[in-house]
Amino acid sequence: EPEVTQTPSHQVTQMGQEVILRCVPISNHLYFYWYRQILGQKVEFLVSFYNNEISEKSEIFDDQFSVERPDGSNFTLKIRSTKLEDSAMYFCASSEVVSGGAGKGNTQYFGPGTRLTVL
Amino acid sequence: DAKTTQPTSMDCAEGRAANLPCNHSTISGNEYVYWYRQIHSQGPQYIIHGLKNNETNEMASLIITEDRKSSTLILPHATLRDTAVYYCIVRVAASGYSTLTFGKGTMLLVSP
Repeated sequence: EPEVTQTPSHQVTQMGQEVILRCVPISNHLYFYWYRQILGQKVEFLVSFYNNEISEKSEIFDDQFSVERPDGSNFTLKIRSTKLEDSAMYFCASSEVVSGGAGKGNTQYFGPGTRLTVL
Repeated sequence: DAKTTQPTSMDCAEGRAANLPCNHSTISGNEYVYWYRQIHSQGPQYIIHGLKNNETNEMASLIITEDRKSSTLILPHATLRDTAVYYCIVRVAASGYSTLTFGKGTMLLVSP
């Protein structure tokens, strides 16, 4: 069964450094998402992306964050200057495009996550 | 999206059915009920979703009350690997994208 994959599984960085988290969505999916989960807290939405532009973003997704689909398979999340409070699990998700109604096509499938540790 | 209420935790014996309740009394007519689970900080895993009819797949069954104000996720024969946090999420699914708003979910502990 197709899966969302994410690399690296664990990233350790120094405060102020830039990090890029990578995701390979399921191949026929066209909507992409990033969520994060700080240790012990809820899973929080960051951003959704479709047709090479951001569809929606949360208050968390400030100017330090950016997303990109650099090629036909990868979807990346960049944090320009990491802060201690950016330490979290970052999950990528993807879904198909379905016009009208809801089948499994509108279901979001998540990757295993990248654990980001900012020192 | 409508708010959901779930018990903080539940226990279940291995091999027995696990019935996880969810209240969503303010659900709108175009909102679906989705269930995900998260096993120990892994990525959330989709389980099942429904609008008003009961649904069943290889993982679970979803029972939605006639007034749609509550639902129950049923794992028919729970195993130790079903120990996880289970999230009930209500969302509009008609558009191609709509974000998932996760609550605290129910921590299901399956014991031998």
